[in-house]
Order: sequence, then C-alpha cells, then structure tokens
Amino acid sequence: EPEVTQTPSHQVTQMGQEVILRCVPISNHLYFYWYRQILGQKVEFLVSFYNNEISEKSEIFDDQFSVERPDGSNFTLKIRSTKLEDSAMYFCASGLLLRGGRAGELFFGEGSRLTVL
Amino acid sequence: GESVGLHLPTLSVQEGDNSIINCAYSNSASDYFIWYKQESGKGPQFIIDIRSNMDKRQGQRVTVLLNKTVKHLSLQIAATQPGDSAVYFCAENFSGGYNKLIFGAGTRLAVHP
Repeated sequence: EPEVTQTPSHQVTQMGQEVILRCVPISNHLYFYWYRQILGQKVEFLVSFYNNEISEKSEIFDDQFSVERPDGSNFTLKIRSTKLEDSAMYFCASGLLLRGGRAGELFFGEGSRLTVL
Repeated sequence: GESVGLHLPTLSVQEGDNSIINCAYSNSASDYFIWYKQESGKGPQFIIDIRSNMDKRQGQRVTVLLNKTVKHLSLQIAATQPGDSAVYFCAENFSGGYNKLIFGAGTRLAVHP
C-alpha cells in the first residue's frame, strides 16, 4: 500500500540552527501539506502546497518557515532559525482532489519529532 | 468535550462495549469530514469519512453520524477492542478550499479488559 514517508524520525538541534525535514508523498498525489503537533495537543495546519507553490498557510507559518519541492518526489519543510517553541512532531500529508473538485482523504506520514534545545 | 492543553478528554470503556466519541466542528461551510485515529508516536490514520450530503455512514465496526444543524459529528465503535485504544480526531474540510483539513481537539479512548 502506498504511504507517505518522512525523515528523520527524530532530530535534536540547538536553538538558532536550521532544520530541514523531508517527506516523500504518495506518487500520484497533487496536494502536499505540513502539519505540526505539540506534545499532547491537536494536529495544527501549517501549510498546503499545490502546483509548485504555497496555496495556503497558517499564522504559525511565519518567515522562519519555507517549503520546497526540489524534485519530482521530495517535499521539504525548512525552519531557518529554530526556537524552543518549534519543538513538536511535524507531519507531512498528501492527497488528491477528487472528480468535481471534491475533497479526498489526506494520508499522513509517521512524523518527524523535532527537539530544540 | 473540549481539550485543554495537555488534558485531552478521555473516554474509558470496557472491552466489548460500544464507544461513542463526539466532536463539534467549527465551520458551517465544511462539506467533508474525516475521523482519524492516532496511536502513540504515530501519524493520524484514516478511519472513516462522510460528506455533508449524508448523515450516516458505516464501515467495519465503525459508524459516523453527522448532524449539520448543530455542527456535530460522532464516531461509534462497536465491540471496542484493546487495539482501539488511541486518540481520535475529527477533521473538517472547508468547501472551496485547497483540500485543507482542520483538526478538532481529540479524545483519548482507553479500552480496559
């Protein structure tokens, strides 16, 4: 069964360092997302990406964050200068719009745990 | 119920009982809803979905009910098993958006033998 894969599974970094989280979405999907989940809290939308550009972003996704699809398979989230409050689980997801523009299911990866010290 | 920081509402059930998990969604324009299950340390996993033109949908051991009048979703799990222990999130999709899902607060289901 196709799945979304994410690397690394866990990254520990010092405050102020740059971090890149990587994702390989499901191959025929067209929409890509990053979500984050602070320990014990709900899953929060960060950004959606379609047709090689950001289609929507939340207020969390400030200038420290960027996303890129550098080739046909990878989708990355970069945090330019990490802060303590960036510590969270980051989930990549991908999905399709169905016929007629109807929303379809989003498939999530297993997540990348980021710990900022 | 509403989640408050680290304290997710918890539903405790006995193995074999039926479970009902409730969710209030926020946007009356939402037209697609999904229930996700999240086990500890893992990503959200699809359970069942429902569109706004339906009020009930059944899967294997699970049923989702949608009440658009009061913006309420419920997930019913029949004959709950220990493997059902997890956090359950409802998610809504805003009509006309880029297929963005917004997650609710989550409910922890604890199944006791």
